[in-house]
Amino acid sequence: AQSVTQLGSHVSVSEGALVLLRCNDSSSVPPYLFWYVQYPNQGLQLLLKYTTGATLVKGINGFEAEFKKSETSFHLTKPSAHMSDAAEYFCAVSARTGFQKLVFGTGTRLLVSP
Amino acid sequence: SQTIHQWPATLVQPVGSPLSLECTVEGTSNPNLYWYRQAAGRGLQLLFYSVGIGQISSEVPQNLSASRPQDRQFILSSKKLLLSDSGFYLCAWGSGLALTEAFFGQGTRLTVV
Repeated sequence: AQSVTQLGSHVSVSEGALVLLRCNDSSSVPPYLFWYVQYPNQGLQLLLKYTTGATLVKGINGFEAEFKKSETSFHLTKPSAHMSDAAEYFCAVSARTGFQKLVFGTGTRLLVSP
Repeated sequence: SQTIHQWPATLVQPVGSPLSLECTVEGTSNPNLYWYRQAAGRGLQLLFYSVGIGQISSEVPQNLSASRPQDRQFILSSKKLLLSDSGFYLCAWGSGLALTEAFFGQGTRLTVV
């Protein structure tokens, strides 16, 4: 069964600092990979996704992620954190074959301090 | 454009009472529909998915059931709620076999007391 691991349930950064949220997947065949963001008591919003082609993908709000097959990683980064980035972030994976469903990691809460 | 509606936004129910959460999708046809639950301090767990009217697949054994009476309507139900059913429930839809993106509703915060 597919799974993704998010390292760190909480990450704290200062405003203007680099954001790095880690995600590793367990798939032997590269899956589709996603990052979603969730603001308090709201649904999930897609930040970015990797399906095919370029392994470095850019998303909304200045975020980007790179799929590294050798490391089976898909870490989320942003060069400079903003206070509005404080939220919970979920990495998710979906198989490329068969019926596809999103399998989520446990989430990482990003805290941004002034 | 496609939109997904989920209601109610919040719900407080006593133990043993029934539950009905509704989700509807607009602007697309024959979507794949999903119910997820997010418990406090945990990630999102897939509860049910549906590829068509009357077709429901359950991912985990539990006190809940799902139904799809219409193409764009997905209902999550329980006959008798347990305390452990508390959580944040999210409905989502995706199109086609290749799930290259899922779209989520705003969620329902269920508290069982």
